[in-house]
Amino acid sequence: DTEVTQTPKHLVMGMTNKKSLKCEQHMGHRAMYWYKQKAKKPPELMFVYSYEKLSINESVPSRFSPECPNSSLLNLHLHALQPEDSALYLCASSQVFTSGNTIYFGEGSWLTVV
Amino acid sequence: GENVEQHPSTLSVQEGDSAVIKCTYSDSASNYFPWYKQELGKRPQLIIDIRSNVGEKKDQRIAVTLNKTAKHFSLHITETQPEDSAVYFCAANRDTDKLIFGTGTRLQVFP
Repeated sequence: DTEVTQTPKHLVMGMTNKKSLKCEQHMGHRAMYWYKQKAKKPPELMFVYSYEKLSINESVPSRFSPECPNSSLLNLHLHALQPEDSALYLCASSQVFTSGNTIYFGEGSWLTVV
Repeated sequence: GENVEQHPSTLSVQEGDSAVIKCTYSDSASNYFPWYKQELGKRPQLIIDIRSNVGEKKDQRIAVTLNKTAKHFSLHITETQPEDSAVYFCAANRDTDKLIFGTGTRLQVFP
């Protein structure tokens, strides 16, 4: 099973709303990632969790708040977003956070901020 | 930090022809080079990868070559098929550092 499952697949939210994106993997991976992808651009790393601890925060605005409740779950809490935050948000996981470990992506959550 | 350049940005080929996509990286310590394929509206999926101790790797119609001296690596697709049409991203990283993606190549295979 090489599945990374993300919910919801589509989300439309207002600039004053609070919502969350959810991600789950059952591959026993100990590294989990959030990426943001705009149209016609490569995925852009936001956060890395390694062994449930935040390892990398790529200077992401505080309106994005990650959470890793356990080794299988990763959430991204959204609050007071801007229209320019509209994008595809990809969750990913790998065995561990070291070079050479395949990163498996989920199908993504399409976010539209209105 | 690492920087990965990818060319061309778009590539159109006739079905059955070969396609080559090239990437150049800046960090000589990079030691892992995956290639991802992303179909429209889908997730990026790993299609092949290569480590710095190997010069070439093949998997059926797909091959990747690595030139460490020149710091570039290439994806070769032979006998292209319409289902190969997608955006391809190269990437590079080194130990316990983030994966850096190239800017992507949109490959179109015409029947």
